[in-house]
Amino acid sequence: KAGVTQTPRYLIKTRGQQVTLSCSPISGHRSVSWYQQTPGQGLQFLFEYFSETQRNKGNFPGRFSGRQFSNSRSEMNVSTLELGDSALYLCASSPQTTGAAVEEQFFGPGTRLTVL
Amino acid sequence: DAKTTQPNSMESNEEEPVHLPCNHSTISGTDYIHWYRQLPSQGPEYVIHGLTSNVNNRMASLAIAEDRKSSTLILHRATLRDAAVYYCILRGPFRGSARQLTFGSGTQLTVLP
Repeated sequence: KAGVTQTPRYLIKTRGQQVTLSCSPISGHRSVSWYQQTPGQGLQFLFEYFSETQRNKGNFPGRFSGRQFSNSRSEMNVSTLELGDSALYLCASSPQTTGAAVEEQFFGPGTRLTVL
Repeated sequence: DAKTTQPNSMESNEEEPVHLPCNHSTISGTDYIHWYRQLPSQGPEYVIHGLTSNVNNRMASLAIAEDRKSSTLILHRATLRDAAVYYCILRGPFRGSARQLTFGSGTQLTVLP
């Protein structure tokens, strides 16, 4: 089974631009979560999508948004980029067939975003 | 969410066992203890999880204290490929915002040849 894939792997943008990152979950997985990883803040939860609906959201400004399609693929968008948005953006999928307490999340390799 | 405490870094020699500790004194009775690790330039990967009893899988063993306020991830024979940041995470039953993984700062494991 193919793992979680994320595209692009690397991206360079300038301040004020917007960016869209894509995530394809493992086949059959219905939940997709996004995380931001920076050296200063570590790994932080952005949001989770399930059945095309945002189910949970972390403490990030409204410039960060996402969506999920009927095939479970997900995109996240960051508008009006700031220097502090430079980070590794990670996507994780899970099957949602068991309770959250025992559920494993499968991570992609991430998209490295650099904002100049 | 209940908090976990881990040492910032640890070192081990190759082919020796490694014991990575985690304290979680405010754990609730329904919280599972999960371990993930993140190899350099990769996303995190699941290692193991447990509730009360010790657990073994092909990657590692998880030893859980009787009072559940601490746990230890055991790598039986560390290899250079085990060098990573190891995260200890508590996960409880779904309660609205509980589905996401809450990462702490983890333990950076260095394996010396």
